[in-house]
Amino acid sequence: QVQLVQSGAEVKKPGASVRISCRSSGYSFSSFHIHWVRQAPGHGLEWMARINPSDDTTTYAQNLQGRVIVASDTSTRTVYMELSSLRSEDTAIYYCVRSKDIVTYFDLWGRGTLVTVYS
Amino acid sequence: SYVLTQPPSVSVAPGETARITCGGNNIGRQTVHWYQQKPGQAPVVVIYYDNDRPAGIPERLSGSKSANTATLTISRVEAGDEADYFCQLWDSDTDHYVFGSGTKVTVL
Repeated sequence: QVQLVQSGAEVKKPGASVRISCRSSGYSFSSFHIHWVRQAPGHGLEWMARINPSDDTTTYAQNLQGRVIVASDTSTRTVYMELSSLRSEDTAIYYCVRSKDIVTYFDLWGRGTLVTVYS
Repeated sequence: SYVLTQPPSVSVAPGETARITCGGNNIGRQTVHWYQQKPGQAPVVVIYYDNDRPAGIPERLSGSKSANTATLTISRVEAGDEADYFCQLWDSDTDHYVFGSGTKVTVL
């Protein structure tokens, strides 16, 4: 079955870091880019980062540079996203998303991981 | 950075036509995709490459563009079309992906 399976919900304190995983199945892992897109409660969608698992090249949203790191593990078909220096504004659902290449649409979405940041 | 502007909400009676706009500078030169998101679910692409439909998406949904506006049209609206809709494109100048703010479609 073609799917992206994400890790479970997280609760973190301000200043901490969170690491979310996204395991792919049912397709050629290295043939698609993986992105991270987040959605704050009641808000729209925000693109965060992209990785090409075939060569591990990454691109990050300018407003998150320095706080977000994305990495992939081909042996386990898993992509990880780590967001550091968490603030209350980072409370959101985080989705991992697939695209065939850089310019095309997002054709497969994970179910999302809720990250709650509060003290 | 590139900005896509959508109306917050659109209300339409069953059987009528809903038009959801997505404004952006010279968007006519860009490739636009549209996503539908129902409560508690992840978004799903409903229109890609301006006016192509994935398998399983009814022909009632269509996309179009003019110079500065992309439009998602839902004909013969049904109760099941009630959802949030987002436009999206890839900005080649920044290599970033941009989403519109989203439009909530309410079926009266």
